[in-house]
Amino acid sequence: EAQVTQNPRYLITVTGKKLTVTCSQNMNHEYMSWYRQDPGLGLRQIYYSMNVEVTDKGDVPEGYKVSRKEKRNFPLILESPSPNQTSLYFCASSLTGMNYGYTFGSGTRLTVV
Amino acid sequence: ELKVEQNPLFLSMQEGKNYTIYCNYSTTSDRLYWYRQDPGKSLESLFVLLSNGAVKQEGRLMASLDTKARLSTLHITAAVHDLSATYFCAFQTSGSRLTFGEGTQLTVNP
Repeated sequence: EAQVTQNPRYLITVTGKKLTVTCSQNMNHEYMSWYRQDPGLGLRQIYYSMNVEVTDKGDVPEGYKVSRKEKRNFPLILESPSPNQTSLYFCASSLTGMNYGYTFGSGTRLTVV
Repeated sequence: ELKVEQNPLFLSMQEGKNYTIYCNYSTTSDRLYWYRQDPGKSLESLFVLLSNGAVKQEGRLMASLDTKARLSTLHITAAVHDLSATYFCAFQTSGSRLTFGEGTQLTVNP
């Protein structure tokens, strides 16, 4: 089944403890992206990647890192999480170009205390 | 910078009524998406609109795109409780980048 898989689905952590949220897709998509969703703000893009070893900042990159060493994986790294990073996170992927839609993962609900 | 504004942000309506959600955007865009999100769930793609004047319908939902007015609408006909969800519009620009509206939380009351 074609899908975007995020792990974990739920995570509670403490301020300053490094964490990684994984994202993997099995559709050979070039483009992958991370979004955070907060009430009243819609989804805001954190980072995106056009292909392996090609990443760029989105609208709210502060406090996050990403890497794209393999085409299928695009992990989101929080080196020193803070409470303002408590949010619902979504990973998405697509083929590049204007003729393809996006597939979203199931989401990761992160709470930083 | 592409900005997207949806209104209303909250919509409470009775079953059987009609209503429209509006989505305005600030610059030229190549493609418009409408998504549905149920509480705690991921985003489900509803419509993709590709060009000016495009209209698509699925069940009680109809989406349209007016690129000259920089406006997309999602019209709900004879609402039913199952349509209660949050609806997002999103615009795609070059490089596969998506910019989302704030979302419209729809509640359909019996």
